[in-house]
Amino acid sequence: DAGVIQSPRHEVTEMGQEVTLRCKPISGHNSLFWYRQTMMRGLELLIYFNNNVPIDDSGMPEDRFSAKMPNASFSTLKIQPSEPRDSAVYFCASSGGPLGNTIYFGEGSWLTVV
Amino acid sequence: QQPVQSPQAVILREGEDAVINCSSSKALYSVHWYRQKHGEAPIFLMILLKGGEQKGHDKISASFNEKKQQSSLYLTASQLSYSGTYFCGTPNANAGGTSYGKLTFGQGTILTVHP
Repeated sequence: DAGVIQSPRHEVTEMGQEVTLRCKPISGHNSLFWYRQTMMRGLELLIYFNNNVPIDDSGMPEDRFSAKMPNASFSTLKIQPSEPRDSAVYFCASSGGPLGNTIYFGEGSWLTVV
Repeated sequence: QQPVQSPQAVILREGEDAVINCSSSKALYSVHWYRQKHGEAPIFLMILLKGGEQKGHDKISASFNEKKQQSSLYLTASQLSYSGTYFCGTPNANAGGTSYGKLTFGQGTILTVHP
């Protein structure tokens, strides 16, 4: 089975540009998470969807960040406008199915804002 | 609230043992352990659902003391492949032993195994 698929794997963009990160969760999983990882702050949960509905977005840092999950197989995380401090690895993860408690991470999207 | 891991870093020689601790100031319903190698995604190791539960895989095992609100990960006879950052994750305070809820991760423990 394919795991969580994220794109792009790497992105370098200029400050002020819009960034869109994409995620395809594991088929059959009903929970999807967006995490951000930096050296300073570690792994932070940004937003969490259950059955395509945002349940908790308290970790979204600012209004510049938005996330959507239009269907069970696709989610996006958008940053507009991007700033250098947004540089991080963004992980999408999903859980559900027979092993509901296990969270499976994608390979991550490495974002650099210059 | 973020669980606290200790130590922050461990350096071992192959064959040595290590213990990584994870503690929380709030009640724990389950504890998840992950390992992340540099430049890669965190990989699930194991989940402990009940207080007192112990699990093991190969030479990596873990215990969960619900009353003390802590969990420990034991690495026995460490191998070079064990090197990486280990994270514990705890779900929101939630009724029951299982939760589909979000995980809050500790700050990580960097484990380095030398030949």
